[in-house]
Amino acid sequence: GAVVSQHPSRVICKSGTSVKIECRSLDFQATTMFWYRQFPKQSLMLMATSNEGSKATYEQGVEKDKFLINHASLTLSTLTVTSAHPEDSSFYICSAKRALGETQYFGPGTRLLVL
Amino acid sequence: DAKTTQPTSMDCAEGRAANLPCNHSTISGNEYVYWYRQIHSQGPQYIIHGLKNNETNEMASLIITEDRKSSTLILPHATLRDTAVYYCFVRVGRLGVNRDDKIIFGKGTRLHILP
Repeated sequence: GAVVSQHPSRVICKSGTSVKIECRSLDFQATTMFWYRQFPKQSLMLMATSNEGSKATYEQGVEKDKFLINHASLTLSTLTVTSAHPEDSSFYICSAKRALGETQYFGPGTRLLVL
Repeated sequence: DAKTTQPTSMDCAEGRAANLPCNHSTISGNEYVYWYRQIHSQGPQYIIHGLKNNETNEMASLIITEDRKSSTLILPHATLRDTAVYYCFVRVGRLGVNRDDKIIFGKGTRLHILP
């Protein structure tokens, strides 16, 4: 099957610090990865689309300078939350799509708590 | 992508078949029907997809009407572990694969399996 992992699964940080979340496709190459955010009792909200080797495309209302996305290889994308604040506390989920396929596979999510 | 509508919530007795409907009356000829689910505090999980023929895998069956305007996801013997939010999407398939296509999550159907 297609497995997507995320690291860390859970992180607590102080306000003002930066946090990096990794998303890896373990058994396939993904030219496209997606980053979502989910607040309690809400649906997933797409933040950005990340294509390997090019700049990410951000959804409207998502600050690209605050949520830095790097997709340097076909198996790894990173999301860095810069100068995190308590309102950035959320469940962050990535997904990855095979180069020639259609189905997206999701990671297990990273729960971020900013104190 | 065509829009889908799903009931907000459903109940199903444990051991019985859970039938989750989805309406996609504006579906195009090259759009597949996809189903995912999200168990609490986990990333979404791919279940099944199909174009026009009924499909079955180890998790579920997908029944698509002849006019393709609606579909039903069937979990044949629901267990408590099937309690989740189920999402139905329609998306362009492989022949029309768009590298930047993305899943925009609606509210889905919250399925409660009753013991």
